[in-house]
Amino acid sequence: DGGITQSPKYLFRKEGQNVTLSCEQNLNHDAMYWYRQDPGQGLRLIYYSQIVNDFQKGDIAEGYSVSREKKESFPLTVTSAQKNPTAFYLCASSRSGQGFNYGYTFGSGTRLTVV
Amino acid sequence: AQSVTQLDSHVSVSEGTPVLLRCNYSSSYSPSLFWYVQHPNKGLQLLLKYTSAATLVKGINGFEAEFKKSETSFHLTKPSAHMSDAAEYFCVVSDHPPSGTPLVFGKGTRLSVIA
Repeated sequence: DGGITQSPKYLFRKEGQNVTLSCEQNLNHDAMYWYRQDPGQGLRLIYYSQIVNDFQKGDIAEGYSVSREKKESFPLTVTSAQKNPTAFYLCASSRSGQGFNYGYTFGSGTRLTVV
Repeated sequence: AQSVTQLDSHVSVSEGTPVLLRCNYSSSYSPSLFWYVQHPNKGLQLLLKYTSAATLVKGINGFEAEFKKSETSFHLTKPSAHMSDAAEYFCVVSDHPPSGTPLVFGKGTRLSVIA
């Protein structure tokens, strides 16, 4: 079955370290997205990519970086510049450039904790 | 610009009673509207979507929503709540024609179901 896979499910990071969250999809979707979720704040867009080798900043891109070298993969790196990285991170994909008329398919999320 | 407001951050109902989760939107064009559900520590699952066809949209698990352009609303309802409905619900909007921007999520409504 097609789907979108995030790994790991739980991740612990020491302060000052960079960590990379994996997101892979086999849905043949063009667009992929990264969201951060904090209690009471809904989903906030970090980065998105509508096509391979291209991506755009979202509302809270500072302290994060991404790459889109393959259609199937959209890894997110949380750098040491991110001041408060503890959160639940969600990856999503869509058939069109923005999910218009189709909505998103979400992964099951990665919970990142800074220790 | 598009935006969405979920009018209640928390709704509590008794099992077997009706559910109403309220959502108002703002859009420059004719929007697409979605409702997603998220159970604890899980990804988001699409409940239903409106894309300019019938104004009353039926989704999974007995949920439905009605698009009311005059009221700019897209409220989610269910005739009888079940314990398994306890979750976070997100209302989402996308402009049409596409503006090139990703979907916009509301801040969510937490639904509690009391036995």
